[in-house]
Amino acid sequence: KAGVTQTPRYLIKTRGQQVTLSCSPISGHRSVSWYQQTPGQGLQFLFEYFSETQRNKGNFPGRFSGRQFSNSRSEMNVSTLELGDSALYLCASSLVGGSGDTQYFGPGTRLTVL
Amino acid sequence: AQSVTQPDIHITVSEGASLELRCNYSYGATPYLFWYVQSPGQGLQLLLKYFSGDTLVQGIKGFEAEFKRSQSSFNLRKPSVHWSDAAEYFCAVKGFGNEKLTFGTGTRLTIIP
Repeated sequence: KAGVTQTPRYLIKTRGQQVTLSCSPISGHRSVSWYQQTPGQGLQFLFEYFSETQRNKGNFPGRFSGRQFSNSRSEMNVSTLELGDSALYLCASSLVGGSGDTQYFGPGTRLTVL
Repeated sequence: AQSVTQPDIHITVSEGASLELRCNYSYGATPYLFWYVQSPGQGLQLLLKYFSGDTLVQGIKGFEAEFKRSQSSFNLRKPSVHWSDAAEYFCAVKGFGNEKLTFGTGTRLTIIP
């Protein structure tokens, strides 16, 4: 079975722009979660989607948004980029989500904001 | 709220030596516990997980971890490390009914020949 895929792998944007990142979960997985990883803050939960609905949200400003499609693929969008948004964005998928489920991570998208 | 502490930021071990990475969690009940490994520029790979039952869990690549409720710990061990084990290791916890993973700050492992 193919793993979680994320595109693009690398992105360079300038302040004020917006960006869209894509995540394709493992086949059959319906829950997709997004995390931001930075040297200063570590790994932080952004949000989780299940059946096209946001089910859980972390403590990030409204500039960070996401969505999930009927095939469980997910996108996250960051508007009005700031320098501090430079990070590795990781997507993880699991079967149905919830505490007893295991998340499998993709390779990440490295976003650099100049 | 759940939290995870990994007290060691960086550990250096000789190849062939044993390894123990520490992880302490804070949660009101028995949580779901995970260890992930991240190689430079890569995503996270699951090493092992604890949900319930036997407190000693076996994972991939020869790793094991022991859940100790009395110490709120979930330490990762390997009897003999290989140079390819050099990476960053993250302990994570999930609470009941919640998909969100809370991660520790990670322990960077360096292997010397």
